[in-house]
Amino acid sequence: EVQLVESGGGLVQPGGSLRLSCAASGFTFSSYEMNWVRQAPGKGLEWVSYISSSGSTIYYADSVKGRFTISRDNAKNSLYLQMNSLRAEDTAVYYCARERADSPDYWGQGTLVTVSS
Amino acid sequence: QAGLTQPPSVSKGLRQTATLTCTGNSNNAGNQGAAWLQQHQGHPPKLLSYRNNNRPSGISERFSASRSGNTASLTITGLQPEDEADYYCSAWDSSLSAQVFGGGTKLTVL
Repeated sequence: EVQLVESGGGLVQPGGSLRLSCAASGFTFSSYEMNWVRQAPGKGLEWVSYISSSGSTIYYADSVKGRFTISRDNAKNSLYLQMNSLRAEDTAVYYCARERADSPDYWGQGTLVTVSS
Repeated sequence: QAGLTQPPSVSKGLRQTATLTCTGNSNNAGNQGAAWLQQHQGHPPKLLSYRNNNRPSGISERFSASRSGNTASLTITGLQPEDEADYYCSAWDSSLSAQVFGGGTKLTVL
């Protein structure tokens, strides 16, 4: 069974940093592209970042470019999102999502990030 | 980044058919269509259809996707109470090198 479990969310002050993790199991993690997608309270889905299966290709949404860094450790079956210079508008549930055929096919339960003083 | 356009809400009766639309351009939905996701309140999204209009295993045949030009559609037949949810479309935009989402359609089953 495919499982994605996010962790690392919490309350952080504006300008602060957080590192999110996503632990994958039930599939060959190193064979799949992965994404981070977020959802602000009461709002729709917003793509954040993409990483290829090897980690060699990375893309970011304009809203996080220069502040967030996606990475993965295929030996540990883990995906990460380093978030720096956090702003109030980054407050959201952050999901990791596996990608297959250019579609996000499995999603974790999400981890809540709240940026507030 | 520009997204996909979905109507904010659709209401249909029990056992009726609902068709949800998602409009983009030739760089995203007009390329290979859009993926469709269902999200119930308080839960993560669930994939209903891959971008090439294929259903993942375990998804009911009542859900079918199609594409015409730059508009992707999700048709849900025989509406059930449990179909009441938010529905999102998504596609990879080759010009933006970004995944784009629609704003979501809230489906109400009357």
